[in-house]
Amino acid sequence: EVQLVESGGGLVQPGGSLRLSCAASGFTFSDHYMDWVRQAPGKGLEWVGRIRNKANSYTTEYAASVKGRFTISRDDSKNSLHLQMNSLKTEDTAVYYCARIPGGTTKYYGMDVWGQGTTVTVSS
Amino acid sequence: DIQMTQSPSSLSASVGDRVTITCRASQGIGSNLGWYLQKPGKAPKHLIYAASSLQSGVPSRFSGSGSGTEFTLTISSLQPEDFATYYCLHHNNYPLTFGGGTKVEIK
Repeated sequence: EVQLVESGGGLVQPGGSLRLSCAASGFTFSDHYMDWVRQAPGKGLEWVGRIRNKANSYTTEYAASVKGRFTISRDDSKNSLHLQMNSLKTEDTAVYYCARIPGGTTKYYGMDVWGQGTTVTVSS
Repeated sequence: DIQMTQSPSSLSASVGDRVTITCRASQGIGSNLGWYLQKPGKAPKHLIYAASSLQSGVPSRFSGSGSGTEFTLTISSLQPEDFATYYCLHHNNYPLTFGGGTKVEIK
């Protein structure tokens, strides 16, 4: 079964840091680009960023709202994805989802498989 | 950045109704669009890719159409499990952006 499981969420003070992780199973993780998407309480979905696969040099893209503060990384040997969040602001409070990008023959570069999400609360 | 505008923002419908949701892009995105369904407290579920291709396992009552700047998601006969919020997403360039969502409620 294809599965993504996030962890690492919690309560952090403004200006603090947090590192989220996403454990992948049931598919060849190293083949796929991976994304982070977030959803603030009662709001819609917001794309956070992307990391490409090894064939594309693990390059990254970020939303303007997080660029310079958040860093996406991956460890293909452990089938894991990470989101390092620094200089956190109250507006970063959200459920954070990791998601797989199918790409390949589908040519679809949106998300197909999503984790269940992990909650990050930034508050003093 | 490309803005995705969904309409309506909410609608009330009955089981068996035909429902159509529209998504407009602020500039042309070809067919680089997907649709998602989200129920409260749950992760989004992928329904449609490439504007009109049904994701594996998704019931055939769901269909998508459009290209360029105007897209539609149609549910041919609304079922009880379809009451949820629907989002479109473009992946034409960076940043990817979602529509604001359409909440489908029971009439």
